[in-house]
Amino acid sequence: DQQVKQNSPSLSVQEGRISILNCDYTNSMFDYFLWYKKYPAEGPTFLISISSIKDKNEDGRFTVFLNKSAKHLSLHIVPSQPGDSAVYFCAASSLNYGGSQGNLIFGKGTKLSVKP
Amino acid sequence: DGGITQSPKYLFRKEGQNVTLSCEQNLNHDAMYWYRQDPGQGLRLIYYSQIVNDFQKGDIAEGYSVSREKKESFPLTVTSAQKNPTAFYLCASSISDPTDTQYFGPGTRLTVL
Repeated sequence: DQQVKQNSPSLSVQEGRISILNCDYTNSMFDYFLWYKKYPAEGPTFLISISSIKDKNEDGRFTVFLNKSAKHLSLHIVPSQPGDSAVYFCAASSLNYGGSQGNLIFGKGTKLSVKP
Repeated sequence: DGGITQSPKYLFRKEGQNVTLSCEQNLNHDAMYWYRQDPGQGLRLIYYSQIVNDFQKGDIAEGYSVSREKKESFPLTVTSAQKNPTAFYLCASSISDPTDTQYFGPGTRLTVL
């Protein structure tokens, strides 16, 4: 049973517009969420994170929103650029637990294509 | 120039052979991880180590083995017992535990023929 779900395998957006990538989770113990960006044949790179004490975190063009009651988070990219085209992974963990419970659980990813 | 290196980038092996994937980091991180990525799948944790000479099984450890003799190195052996070894393998490290931001290496694409 997937604890972190990214239900859209792909998303296509025009350059300059907003990209919204969604992520849902089922485990209420998760309290720390991250987004990673991955180009083909490369390792993921950390993009932005948010802890459950916040509902928004912003870093330049990237903003992550967290809705704890809905167990939903989203990544907004504004404005989208062709270089943003990549696979975006949502990941979750429990800060308050060590060992295996603190491990990151990844979603299956959403492939974003930004068209010029 | 700090970072995580994985070698080789591409690896081919015959079925039934064990193969070891290299992962080295010079970030002075205590924790290291191995993930596997399959097409259309997220990253799944194989093994992780939070300290030298200690490691723990992840979600899909069967058919794999690891060692952590040095802080900088966390090699992964894909044994002949692993039923579907062909995949993209990613190594990561973090400062001390899984809740820290993890930094990934470039990955190794293993193809078993």
